[in-house]
Amino acid sequence: DMKVTQMPRYLIKRMGENVLLECGQDMSHETMYWYRQDPGLGLQLIYISYDVDSNSEGDIPKGYRVSRKKREHFSLILDSAKTNQTSVYFCASSLFPGQANSDYTFGSGTRLLVI
Amino acid sequence: GDSVTQTEGPVTVSESESLIINCTYSATSIAYPNLFWYVRYPGEGLQLLLKVITAGQKGSSRGFEATYNKETTSFHLQKASVQESDSAVYYCALVPDTNAYKVIFGKGTHLHVLP
Repeated sequence: DMKVTQMPRYLIKRMGENVLLECGQDMSHETMYWYRQDPGLGLQLIYISYDVDSNSEGDIPKGYRVSRKKREHFSLILDSAKTNQTSVYFCASSLFPGQANSDYTFGSGTRLLVI
Repeated sequence: GDSVTQTEGPVTVSESESLIINCTYSATSIAYPNLFWYVRYPGEGLQLLLKVITAGQKGSSRGFEATYNKETTSFHLQKASVQESDSAVYYCALVPDTNAYKVIFGKGTHLHVLP
């Protein structure tokens, strides 16, 4: 069953704490993504990973960093979380981005609350 | 820049009624981007609903359809008779072919179907 798995599903952290969001995929996709979604906004791209240790900033990378040491695993790290990072975070992967024969597969999301 | 504008929700319709969710796009980087509709059911990640990569063609899935209209730069989602199980958030999206790693999403339209 091809899927993207995100952990945890729900997370509450205090301001200033470190946060680790995990994402795994079992499709051997090269490209992985982290997005966040806030009410009234579309999905905003935080980071793209083209492969192991090959990452690129998206549109809103400030306050985040990522780690990809294995193709199937992509982590999003918040060093010293802020309340404005409260959001729903989605991880996604794709094989041939943008091509007709390649779809983006999304995880179910992680709801993060920073208090 | 590239952008997607779609019907602001929430949209509420009764079961068996027809539905249209409007989507227009602006693609400055390329004349004919690839166009997608994604759906997110409660508690799940985004799923690809349908895609069209050729202007003038129509995509269809699960009773939904959308036609890629290059003249009006639109990609409206339609369904003749909705079901309660169609209640979800629908996202129009485009991939500018010149940067196929980046998916640009609309803000999403929350659809409520009343029984």
